[in-house]
Amino acid sequence: EAQVTQNPRYLITVTGKKLTVTCSQNMNHEYMSWYRQDPGLGLRQIYYSMNVEVTDKGDVPEGYKVSRKEKRNFPLILESPSPNQTSLYFCASRTSYEQYFGPGTRLTVT
Amino acid sequence: AQSVTQPDIHITVSEGASLELRCNYSYGATPYLFWYVQSPGQGLQLLLKYFSGDTLVQGIKGFEAEFKRSQSSFNLRKPSVHWSDAAEYFCAVGENDKIIFGKGTRLHILP
Repeated sequence: EAQVTQNPRYLITVTGKKLTVTCSQNMNHEYMSWYRQDPGLGLRQIYYSMNVEVTDKGDVPEGYKVSRKEKRNFPLILESPSPNQTSLYFCASRTSYEQYFGPGTRLTVT
Repeated sequence: AQSVTQPDIHITVSEGASLELRCNYSYGATPYLFWYVQSPGQGLQLLLKYFSGDTLVQGIKGFEAEFKRSQSSFNLRKPSVHWSDAAEYFCAVGENDKIIFGKGTRLHILP
């Protein structure tokens, strides 16, 4: 089954404790993205990657890092999380403008 | 710069009534247009998309949308809503390297 998986689905952490949210797709898509969703703000793109070792900033990249060492994986790294990064995060992959979303990761930073 | 506007934050309709959710975009060329639905606690599911050709696009779950270039609009419609259609709906515009989302319209259904 074609899918995008994210882990963990729920995470509660404390300010400053580094964390990684994993994302994996099995569709051999070159293009992957990370979004955050906040009430009243819709989805905002954090980072995207057009291929292995190629990443670029989206609209809200501050406080986040990504890496793309292999095509299927695109982890999101928060080196020093802060409470304003409490949000719902979605990974997505796409080809020819058909975008597939992961199930989401709800992150709470206290 | 590209932008997507969904003017209605919330819409309430009665079950069985018709529905139209509005979406306006700002873009220099013919855009790629999408509608997604997000049910409570769920991820986003693609309802339909427009790339080119027929301006009336059919999607899943009985939804359709019409691209109107003169109005820069891509409104979503359904002739008769069901209680299960209660969700948040996002319009999106695509270009080569990114897709920009509107802020969403939350649909409430009255029994």
